[in-house]
Amino acid sequence: DADVTQTPRNRITKTGKRIMLECSQTKGHDRMYWYRQDPGLGLRLIYYSFDVKDINKGEISDGYSVSRQAQAKFSLSLESAIPNQTALYFCATSDPGLGRDTQYFGPGTRLTVL
Amino acid sequence: SQKIEQNSEALNIQEGKTATLTCNYTNYSPAYLQWYRQDPGRGPVFLLLIRENEKEKRKERLKVTFDTTLKQSLFHITASQPADSATYLCALDRDTGGFKTIFGAGTRLFVKA
Repeated sequence: DADVTQTPRNRITKTGKRIMLECSQTKGHDRMYWYRQDPGLGLRLIYYSFDVKDINKGEISDGYSVSRQAQAKFSLSLESAIPNQTALYFCATSDPGLGRDTQYFGPGTRLTVL
Repeated sequence: SQKIEQNSEALNIQEGKTATLTCNYTNYSPAYLQWYRQDPGRGPVFLLLIRENEKEKRKERLKVTFDTTLKQSLFHITASQPADSATYLCALDRDTGGFKTIFGAGTRLFVKA
């Protein structure tokens, strides 16, 4: 089984709808992240969490919220989806214990907002 | 502001040749630099990490160099194969408190048989 899973894998929704993307991990890592990827722009950080009680905004958090339900679960919500939130969304985990912060990514969720 | 630049143009090479990808950065003093591979529609996968005090790191057919004076890393794939075709991302991390990883936009590599 994959170490980092995301659901759903694909989602088409309409403007104004509330959407939740879910991420689960079995790696036992405390750190979890949400990124979005757009063509030519690379990965941009939306939110990150260093443990269950720690939530931090990334560079593009407007229009998004997150919830860290447990060490293994980190969900991303779009309260009122808009078309420019159409993108590929990735969840990632990391463990800095080895003196580096290598990130382990999920398979991604392709979100289309009409 | 901190910036990472990777060649946005795709790199096309013939099978068996060495592919060289470039990552340049500005206004940044990374403690280490990482390279990831991303296949279409999939999440990036970690390949190699090189620290600021290392000049070169190798793993099988992969080689990474890191020049903190030039603010540049080069990623080489020797004896390239069609299966090496993918997008390669570089990422820089600052070894201070708090999170600060920045990813480049990636360079698409096509290896022709």
